[in-house]
Amino acid sequence: SQQGEEDPQALSIQEGENATMNCSYKTSINNLQWYRQNSGRGLVHLILIRSNEREKHSGRLRVTLDTSKKSSSLLITASRAADTASYFCAFEGGATNKLIFGTGTLLAVQP
Amino acid sequence: EPEVTQTPSHQVTQMGQEVILRCVPISNHLYFYWYRQILGQKVEFLVSFYNNEISEKSEIFDDQFSVERPDGSNFTLKIRSTKLEDSAMYFCATQKRTGGAEKLFFGSGTQLSVL
Repeated sequence: SQQGEEDPQALSIQEGENATMNCSYKTSINNLQWYRQNSGRGLVHLILIRSNEREKHSGRLRVTLDTSKKSSSLLITASRAADTASYFCAFEGGATNKLIFGTGTLLAVQP
Repeated sequence: EPEVTQTPSHQVTQMGQEVILRCVPISNHLYFYWYRQILGQKVEFLVSFYNNEISEKSEIFDDQFSVERPDGSNFTLKIRSTKLEDSAMYFCATQKRTGGAEKLFFGSGTQLSVL
């Protein structure tokens, strides 16, 4: 399957703690993106990292990419209750322009 | 920020009926996509559309599915004869694609329930 795998499937932390989500994929990629989805809503783009980049930051978000291991991680620092959502990685690879999504991580941040 | 608009937000239909899901893309975007998500689980690619034709489709997108942009504005997904397993949240997404890697903008989805 082309689909990415994420772990953990679910993560529960306390406000103020950091949350780390991991994504693995099987194909070569052009870029990898992370999206957030609040329950029952559409997906919202968070951050994009290109295949020639290793790390990227945006506010409290830090994304790493290891193309040799075909994996990426999303770190949310100093989490807030409002960060509670599902987080999906998505990658674009080869000649295709479609994004293939990972299985998602459900993050619950307890106040 | 510009938005992708989807209608209706909820659609209930009987098995075997035709449904049309509508999407209004962001005005200067060139690439359009349909994805579906069953029960808040994985987000599955259905089809991509560019320059008034399908550029790629998945194995899910069989002969019962079709897409079109009839008036240069709305982008529609039609399911000709719905099955129970078509019940899902359907998302439209659009992309500018002026060159290089770009994000997708998603609509808020249409929840389709087939009874």
